[in-house]
Amino acid sequence: AQSVTQLGSHVSVSEGALVLLRCNYSSSVPPYLFWYVQYPNQGLQLLLKYTSAATLVKGINGFEAEFKKSETSFHLTKPSAHMSDAAEYFCAVSDQWSSNTGKLIFGQGTTLQVKP
Amino acid sequence: EAGVTQFPSHSVIEKGQTVTLRCDPISGHDNLYWYRRVMGKEIKFLLHFVKESKQDESGMPNNRFLAERTGGTYSTLKVQPAELEDSGVYFCASSQDKRLAGVTYEQYFGPGTRLTVT
Repeated sequence: AQSVTQLGSHVSVSEGALVLLRCNYSSSVPPYLFWYVQYPNQGLQLLLKYTSAATLVKGINGFEAEFKKSETSFHLTKPSAHMSDAAEYFCAVSDQWSSNTGKLIFGQGTTLQVKP
Repeated sequence: EAGVTQFPSHSVIEKGQTVTLRCDPISGHDNLYWYRRVMGKEIKFLLHFVKESKQDESGMPNNRFLAERTGGTYSTLKVQPAELEDSGVYFCASSQDKRLAGVTYEQYFGPGTRLTVT
């Protein structure tokens, strides 16, 4: 069965500092991986996705993530945090191959706090 | 183009009452998903429709939950009777048919319905 683990339910950084949100996955088949962001009082918005093309994936708002098969990781980074990045971030894997549903399996979520 | 919409945004009901949540997917999206996030837990899959057919309802908690998608357009999720543990945020998502050439599998989420059962 596939699963996702996000290390750290809360991460706090200073404005301008590096953002690193960790995600490890478990999958016996090539995974499709996603990062979603949820801003306060809004729905989930797709930041970026990995679908077996380039291992370094660039997303919106300056975020990127690198797929590392050997480490089963898909960490999310941004070189310089902005106050507007404060939100909850979700890593997810899609079971594209084990079933025909493509349902998403989510990690527990990481709340990013950005301090001025 | 309108995104995924959900109604209501909030619902507060008493234990034993019935609540119906509605989701309108993006026009033309055959796939419709329901997810739920109970406070402090991860977002969990409930079920998946392809057009009007239930493809996978393995995540439905019990038979108090009934989902429909008449005509393959909007969907409803009814909880009857509601229990305290049903409280949480219910998300709906939609996506295009993944079998279409050139389409990258991606789900678009609605803002969610926050359900509180007292």
